[in-house]
Amino acid sequence: AQTVTQSQPEMSVQEAETVTLSCTYDTSESDYYLFWYKQPPSRQMILVIRQEAYKQQNATENRFSVNFQKAAKSFSLKISDSQLGDAAMYFCAYRSASAGANNLFFGTGTRLTVIP
Amino acid sequence: NAGVTQTPKFRILKIGQSMTLQCAQDMNHNYMYWYRQDPGMGLKLIYYSVGAGITDKGEVPNGYNVSRSTTEDFPLRLELAAPSQTSVYFCASSYSGRSTYSNQPQHFGDGTRLSIL
Repeated sequence: AQTVTQSQPEMSVQEAETVTLSCTYDTSESDYYLFWYKQPPSRQMILVIRQEAYKQQNATENRFSVNFQKAAKSFSLKISDSQLGDAAMYFCAYRSASAGANNLFFGTGTRLTVIP
Repeated sequence: NAGVTQTPKFRILKIGQSMTLQCAQDMNHNYMYWYRQDPGMGLKLIYYSVGAGITDKGEVPNGYNVSRSTTEDFPLRLELAAPSQTSVYFCASSYSGRSTYSNQPQHFGDGTRLSIL
């Protein structure tokens, strides 16, 4: 079974600084997606960024970027120019890319605090 | 755009009671999912559906039932509520195609906080 590990239960960052959240995963598949979801206190699950395993180029969405290391099974999230609104729980998730694959496997999350 | 709508947002049940959590999506997605999120944990899949009339178990299905009579709706039923089912429940939907890398990201509802006392 696929497992997703987030080894940092909590992280903090000064406003306008950069922070990196770590994620590792275990799988025997070669085709898959990786995601970072943000969950603010409102409880919504908001998709931040996704990466297809076949793509060598790291995904970027505005201030959010990833460092995807397929051989190392590592998928870290970098948040640049951190803002107060970035404070939330961040979940790393894995999903097979096979047709009809149904399950998202989540890590246990990292709580990010942004210090003004 | 409504997206995925869950009702109710909060509910308190007594042990042994039953209830149905409602979920509706207006994006014409073929796949729908129910997850639960326990404190300090990520989400775990309870049940999912690949289309109207078709459902299947996820990681933690015990104590729950689902049905999918329409594309839009995917209710989750708790028959005999137990304290272990105290959790936040999320419904999600997505489009999944028939080829590798055809799966679109899941869209989540706002969650239902359920307490069993």
